[in-house]
Amino acid sequence: AQSVAQPEDQVNVAEGNPLTVKCTYSVSGNPYLFWYVQYPNRGLQFLLKYITGDNLVKGSYGFEAEFNKSQTSFHLKKPSALVSDSALYFCAVRDIGAHSGGYNKLIFGAGTRLAVHP
Amino acid sequence: EAGVVQSPRYKIIEKKQPVAFWCNPISGHNTLYWYLQNLGQGPELLIRYENEEAVDDSQLPKDRFSAERLKGVDSTLKIQPAELGDSAVYLCASSLGPDGYEQYFGPGTRLTVT
Repeated sequence: AQSVAQPEDQVNVAEGNPLTVKCTYSVSGNPYLFWYVQYPNRGLQFLLKYITGDNLVKGSYGFEAEFNKSQTSFHLKKPSALVSDSALYFCAVRDIGAHSGGYNKLIFGAGTRLAVHP
Repeated sequence: EAGVVQSPRYKIIEKKQPVAFWCNPISGHNTLYWYLQNLGQGPELLIRYENEEAVDDSQLPKDRFSAERLKGVDSTLKIQPAELGDSAVYLCASSLGPDGYEQYFGPGTRLTVT
């Protein structure tokens, strides 16, 4: 079965420092990987995705993620954190299991809360 | 461009009562999803529509949950009767298509069953 793990419940970082939010995945074939962010009382917002091509994917708000096939990881990164980046971040992998008709069913991780301190 | 619209935003009901949630996807998005999000967890898919057809409802508890998307645009998710364990956030999302497109989420409906 396809799955995704976010090993850290919370990540704390000082404003201006680089940040990394970790994600590892397990799939039977080639993965489609996504990062979403959720602010309080709001729905999830798409940040970036990896489908194929360059392993370094750039997304919204200065975020990027690196696909590492050998380590089955897709860590989210930003060179310089902002207080406004504080939110809940979800990694997701596309499930192409037979029961889903081979289409766009996302399996989400449990989320990592990012806290950026001034 | 308007995003995914959901209503109501909050709902408090007593157990055994029925409840319905409404979703209007982004214009032109043929694929619509309903997710359940429990506190401290990621969303879990309940049902996915391609136009008006439910193509994946394997995670929908069909004894009490039902959904419809009659004209392939907006959708309704219903619970009857509600149980205490149904308290959660119900998210609706839409995408241009099923294959690799990013999903756009609404703000969700927070349901509290007392």
